[in-house]
Amino acid sequence: GENVEQHPSTLSVQEGDSAVIKCTYSDSASNYFPWYKQELGKGPQLIIDIRSNVGEKKDQRIAVTLNKTAKHFSLHITETQPEDSAVYFCAASTTSGTYKYIFGTGTRLKVLA
Amino acid sequence: DVKVTQSSRYLVKRTGEKVFLECVQDMDHENMFWYRQDPGLGLRLIYFSYDVKMKEKGDIPEGYSVSREKKERFSLILESASTNQTSMYLCASREPTRYGYTFGSGTRLTVV
Repeated sequence: GENVEQHPSTLSVQEGDSAVIKCTYSDSASNYFPWYKQELGKGPQLIIDIRSNVGEKKDQRIAVTLNKTAKHFSLHITETQPEDSAVYFCAASTTSGTYKYIFGTGTRLKVLA
Repeated sequence: DVKVTQSSRYLVKRTGEKVFLECVQDMDHENMFWYRQDPGLGLRLIYFSYDVKMKEKGDIPEGYSVSREKKERFSLILESASTNQTSMYLCASREPTRYGYTFGSGTRLTVV
């Protein structure tokens, strides 16, 4: 069935360093890839997304890249800050056309001051 | 901003009880979703609804049902709670012309 693999499950970086989280999807028809950030005690919040007709998208310190051939997409956070510490989820749309998403298993990012 | 409100942050219920989790959104969104979140498993879709009185099963519907009598409210029902339904439950809504979900803050349910 449709699947999204996310790595790593935990990631610790020093403040100011970059962080990269990678996801692989299985459904070649997936065409929308959102990233969500979940802070402690809160629901996930959309932070950036990318459509399949675009290879890269950037929003300040956050960027997402997509390699459709390899079915990979990645989240890049530069100049990390303590407030970036959270759980990050990637997701991919499904072929059913109902805007159901398959989520990855999450990455717990810790930014060390 | 769109607000998705889940009525309870924490719930403790006994095995066999019927449990209702309520979700309300304030932006007239047609699409609403219920996910459960478990460590190492990510978010898994339980049920979703396109519109009032319309519902479809997600990936893990067993042991759950839903109700959507009004557009703004989407309820998740555990017919007979079991300990393996102890989890974080997240409700989300989506505007049809946009792709992203808006999630509620979640309800952490413990079944004892």
